[in-house]
Amino acid sequence: EVLLVESGGGLIQPGGSLRLSCTASGFTLSSHWMHWVRQAPGKGLVWLSRISGDGKTRNFADSVKGRLTISRDNAKNTVYLQMNSLRVDDTAVYFCARDLETSSSYYGIDVWGQGTSVTVSS
Amino acid sequence: SYELTQPPSVSVSLGQMARITCSGEALPKKYSYWYQQKPGQAPMLVIYRDSERPSGIPERFSGSSSGTMFTLTISGVQAEDEADYYCLSADSSGSYAVFGGGTQLTVL
Repeated sequence: EVLLVESGGGLIQPGGSLRLSCTASGFTLSSHWMHWVRQAPGKGLVWLSRISGDGKTRNFADSVKGRLTISRDNAKNTVYLQMNSLRVDDTAVYFCARDLETSSSYYGIDVWGQGTSVTVSS
Repeated sequence: SYELTQPPSVSVSLGQMARITCSGEALPKKYSYWYQQKPGQAPMLVIYRDSERPSGIPERFSGSSSGTMFTLTISGVQAEDEADYYCLSADSSGSYAVFGGGTQLTVL
């Protein structure tokens, strides 16, 4: 069974940093681009970032560029999202997701984790 | 920045056809994908590459594209189809992805 399990969420003060992890199982992680997507309470989905299977290529949404870093360790079957200078409006559920496409031209998420909740508050 | 536009809500009677649209300038050049999300759950892929249906998704779900518009059609809507639906695509250069704002489907 293909599974993605996120961890690392929690309550963090404004200005703080957090690293989220996504552990994959049931497929070969290195063969897939991987994404992070977030959803604020009661709001829609927002794409944040993706990383290529070999970790050499990264793309970011303009709204988070400079504050987020995406990385991966294929040997550990894990993808990471480092978030810095956190703001109250970063409060959201953060989803890790797998891409079904092999071409870098397309963004096609086919598998989602259940998400990890991040609350930024003083 | 690039945007995908969806209607905020669509209502349809049980057993009727629902159409949810997604418009974006780059859609003729990029594939689009559709996701269903029910409260408290992760999204689920229902259509990929404009019109392909993943295994396990009922045949009543279909997708089509025409110019800058992409349409998700649900034929013979069931009560369990009531959910939020999101489209996903990329900007024309493939530099980033964007979701539509989401459409809440209500089954009457």
